[in-house]
Amino acid sequence: AQSVTQLDSQVPVFEEAPVELRCNYSSSVSVYLFWYVQYPNQGLQLLLKYLSGSTLVKGINGFEAEFNKSQTSFHLRKPSVHISDTAEYFCAVIDGTGGFKTIFGAGTRLFVKA
Amino acid sequence: NAGVMQNPRHLVRRRGQEARLRCSPMKGHSHVYWYRQLPEEGLKFMVYLQKENIIDESGMPKERFSAEFPKEGPSILRIQQVVRGDSAAYFCASSPAVGGSTPNEQFFGPGTRLTVL
Repeated sequence: AQSVTQLDSQVPVFEEAPVELRCNYSSSVSVYLFWYVQYPNQGLQLLLKYLSGSTLVKGINGFEAEFNKSQTSFHLRKPSVHISDTAEYFCAVIDGTGGFKTIFGAGTRLFVKA
Repeated sequence: NAGVMQNPRHLVRRRGQEARLRCSPMKGHSHVYWYRQLPEEGLKFMVYLQKENIIDESGMPKERFSAEFPKEGPSILRIQQVVRGDSAAYFCASSPAVGGSTPNEQFFGPGTRLTVL
């Protein structure tokens, strides 16, 4: 069965520093990959998605992610974070061979300090 | 265009009572998904519905939980005889009709936070 591992439960970082949030998924023939952000007491908002094509995906709020098939990874990066980026970030995968059920990672809490 | 609506936002029930959670998808969306988020955890898929059809309920507990998406009106997630372990945030998402083999983006509602006393 498909699974998603977010290696860091919490990532503290200073404002304007770069950040990388790591995500690995279990191997599959075809996968669709997503990153969502959740602000306190709110629903999830899509940051970016990889369906096919270029392995470097750019999303909203200056975030980008790179699909690496050989390493089964989809790490999220931002070159310079803001205080307002403090939130929970979820990596998710849809297994293209098994319907459209979305499997979420446990989440990474990004805490941006002034 | 209003987003996905969920109500109530907060629901408190005593053990043994019933909880009904409602989800109105975005206009034009015919697919609804329900997820449960336990404290400090990610979202866990529960059920995927189209109008009047359950497509995938592999994430639903075998007892006490049911879901429907009638031809008219919102999708309902119903939990009978709630227990403390049912306390969680329940999120609904919707998407347009799925075309081809590529999944559509799911748009999430703000969630219903269920507390069982």
